Amino acid sequence: GNSVTQMEGPVTLSEEAFLTINCTYTATGYPSLFWYVQYPGEGLQLLLKATKADDKGSNKGFEATYRKETTSFHLEKGSVQVSDSAVYFCALNTGNQFYFGTGTSLTVIP
Amino acid sequence: NAGVMQNPRHLVRRRGQEARLRCSPMKGHSHVYWYRQLPEEGLKFMVYLQKENIIDESGMPKERFSAEFPKEGPSILRIQQVVRGDSAAYFCASSPRGTSGRKNEQFFGPGTRLTVL
Repeated sequence: GNSVTQMEGPVTLSEEAFLTINCTYTATGYPSLFWYVQYPGEGLQLLLKATKADDKGSNKGFEATYRKETTSFHLEKGSVQVSDSAVYFCALNTGNQFYFGTGTSLTVIP
Repeated sequence: NAGVMQNPRHLVRRRGQEARLRCSPMKGHSHVYWYRQLPEEGLKFMVYLQKENIIDESGMPKERFSAEFPKEGPSILRIQQVVRGDSAAYFCASSPRGTSGRKNEQFFGPGTRLTVL
């Protein structure tokens, strides 16, 4: 079946620290992979995506590379800001249904 | 172009009452998806609808839950005889076409937070 596993949070970092949030997946077929971000009281917003192996998605300083050999899609950012505090969800899609990880809460302190 | 609209944003119901959650997809989108987010959990797929048709309801509980997306008007997720375990955030997403292709993004609404007393 399809599933996504994310590293558990919460994660607390100082401003300008390096961020990694691990995500691995299990899927039938060839999924597309996504990172969504959820700010308090809001819905999910697409952060970045990759649709095939070795693709790199990037947006707002965040990056993730689709690694088929390790079935991973880790999220990274070189220097986090306070405004990056949110919950981050890794997700995959192989058809009309998205499968989400449980989310990783990130808090960035000044 | 307005995003996906959901209302109400917050809904409080007593056990046994009915809850109706509404979702207006983005303009030009004819595909709607409902997800449920329980506390401390990720989103779980419930149902996928196109105009006047339910395409996939594999994630929806067999009893008390129903969904529709009429030709005119918003999509409705209906929960009858609510119980405390139904307390969650319910998110709607829309897409202009089915998301099995490469351009397969779903656009999410802000959610409805249902509290059952």
